Amino acid sequence: KQEVTQIPAALSVPEGENLVLNCSFTDSAIYNLQWFRQDPGKGLTSLLLIQSSQREQTSGRLNASLDKSSGRSTLYIAASQPGDSATYLCAVRGSSGGYQKVTFGTGTKLQVIP
Amino acid sequence: NAGVTQTPKFRVLKTGQSMTLLCAQDMNHEYMYWYRQDPGMGLRLIHYSVGEGTTAKGEVPDGYNVSRLKKQNFLLGLESAAPSQTSVYFCASSGLAGANEQFFGPGTRLTVL
Repeated sequence: KQEVTQIPAALSVPEGENLVLNCSFTDSAIYNLQWFRQDPGKGLTSLLLIQSSQREQTSGRLNASLDKSSGRSTLYIAASQPGDSATYLCAVRGSSGGYQKVTFGTGTKLQVIP
Repeated sequence: NAGVTQTPKFRVLKTGQSMTLLCAQDMNHEYMYWYRQDPGMGLRLIHYSVGEGTTAKGEVPDGYNVSRLKKQNFLLGLESAAPSQTSVYFCASSGLAGANEQFFGPGTRLTVL
């Protein structure tokens, strides 16, 4: 059974700092990994999706990396801003079976202090 | 292009009442999903559909039913609501081919008294 862990559960940083969020998974047989942000009381917004054959994806100040063999992904946020404050979730889609089950981590709650 | 929409946004039920949550997507996606999100437990899959007219059970299907009569709509029903079903419900959709990127609706906050 796939398990996805995100550590730390909460993180507080001063504005302007570069930071890394971690996601680890137990089964390396994955199809892709997706990073989301969730604002309080809102739905999930897709940030980046990395296919299993890729090593990283970039969008603006965000860079996500994937190391399948070690079961790890990181989300790097450059020059953090107060608007980056949200909960960040990673989700792993398995590659076995007819339905590719998606397993979510419980998230890292990020606070960027002005 | 509205993406994924959900109705209603909020609902309060009494134990034993029934209701239906509606999810609609305008991206022509094959896959649709219903999740529930509870504090400390992350998102858990209730039911999903791989195409019009198909449905399948996820991790926590008990107490829920679903229907996908049209490709763009996915309905989640609670026949006899229980306090344990108090949660935030999210619908999502993804394409059949390519990246299979999931897109989420804004959620429905349900309270069962």
